[in-house]
Amino acid sequence: DGGITQSPKYLFRKEGQNVTLSCEQNLNHDAMYWYRQDPGQGLRLIYYSQIVNDFQKGDIAEGYSVSREKKESFPLTVTSAQKNPTAFYLCASSSSGDLAGELFFGEGSRLTVL
Amino acid sequence: AQKVTQAQTEISVVEKEDVTLDCVYETRDTTYYLFWYKQPPSGELVFLIRRNSFDEQNEISGRYSWNFQKSTSSFNFTITASQVVDSAVYFCALSDDNTGGFKTIFGAGTRLFVKA
Repeated sequence: DGGITQSPKYLFRKEGQNVTLSCEQNLNHDAMYWYRQDPGQGLRLIYYSQIVNDFQKGDIAEGYSVSREKKESFPLTVTSAQKNPTAFYLCASSSSGDLAGELFFGEGSRLTVL
Repeated sequence: AQKVTQAQTEISVVEKEDVTLDCVYETRDTTYYLFWYKQPPSGELVFLIRRNSFDEQNEISGRYSWNFQKSTSSFNFTITASQVVDSAVYFCALSDDNTGGFKTIFGAGTRLFVKA
């Protein structure tokens, strides 16, 4: 089945450690996104990528990094510089940057900093 | 500035009741799209509907209906005869020329509890 796969589903990290969240899609979509979800705050955009080897900062990029070496993959690294990394992270994709294009989401990764 | 407001944080209803989820948006653009997504306990958001700014017709899909009113900048979502499976968090979202197609803005979400 076509879709977006995120891993791991749950992740625990000690303070000061970097962690990488995986996101893979087989929808042949050009655009991919990372969102952060906190209770009562909706979804906030971290990074997005319109095409392979290109990505742009979203609204809350500080403390995060991404890469887009392959069309189907868009991993997110949460670095030790992120002050409050405990959150639910959602990866999404869309066929283009068309205003009308809906987003397709993965099931998310829940990161907890101990 | 673009903004999406979902004033209802949580709603609790009993099965078979009708429930309306409110969404108010702000944008200066004349061309924009509004969306509703459902987030069940599994976590992934699922697309429900899209509406463009030039089409104010209400839409009905089974037990779901949407009321788009540009005069009040609202895009409300009604579930008729709610069921336990409707329990989820529902997000309203906006995409416009200013944010670009890559920067969909989401409301804070409304958590709906449907009790049997």
